Amino acid sequence: AQSVTQLDSHVSVSEGTPVLLRCNYSSSYSPSLFWYVQHPNKGLQLLLKYTSAATLVKGINGFEAEFKKSETSFHLTKPSAHMSDAAEYFCVVSEGKTSYDKVIFGPGTSLSVIP
Amino acid sequence: EPEVTQTPSHQVTQMGQEVILRCVPISNHLYFYWYRQILGQKVEFLVSFYNNEISEKSEIFDDQFSVERPDGSNFTLKIRSTKLEDSAMYFCASRGGSAGQPQHFGDGTRLSIL
Repeated sequence: AQSVTQLDSHVSVSEGTPVLLRCNYSSSYSPSLFWYVQHPNKGLQLLLKYTSAATLVKGINGFEAEFKKSETSFHLTKPSAHMSDAAEYFCVVSEGKTSYDKVIFGPGTSLSVIP
Repeated sequence: EPEVTQTPSHQVTQMGQEVILRCVPISNHLYFYWYRQILGQKVEFLVSFYNNEISEKSEIFDDQFSVERPDGSNFTLKIRSTKLEDSAMYFCASRGGSAGQPQHFGDGTRLSIL
């Protein structure tokens, strides 16, 4: 069975400082992992994805994530936070023998950026 | 860049009434999904749809819910007799046919049941 844990429900950083949003997962198969961002009153935008290629994945807006199988983690990082990064971030795991249809969302981490 | 579009952005309905939420997935995508997000809670998977049939559904997706792709472009979610607890944001998503492709989401429909 799959599950996703986002260890922090809320993270607050100062503008220009690094961002770390943590995600741990459990999966019976080789999963695909994604990070999505949701700005207020908007839909879910894909930041990046891991699908068994390179373990360090670069995404949009300067975000990246590293897949660590031994730690079952897929933490999201950014070297320098910008005000526009304030949003809700969801770690998502997808597994399936053929179609990757089974998708589980983490509970989300709310990121605040302080000027 | 192609987008998933959802209409309406906000739907207000009386309890017990039927409601249809509409989605236009990205045109060459093959897999279609509905999710819901109750205010303040996590995003929950409802159903996936492929080749004109449901491929997976969650325990939330009971007999009150149905999905349809009536004309090759629209993908609809129908709630037959709405309850107060159906109030939520409903997101449609679609993805291409290759393994590992991410799902692309619409901006959602906010459903308010009175």
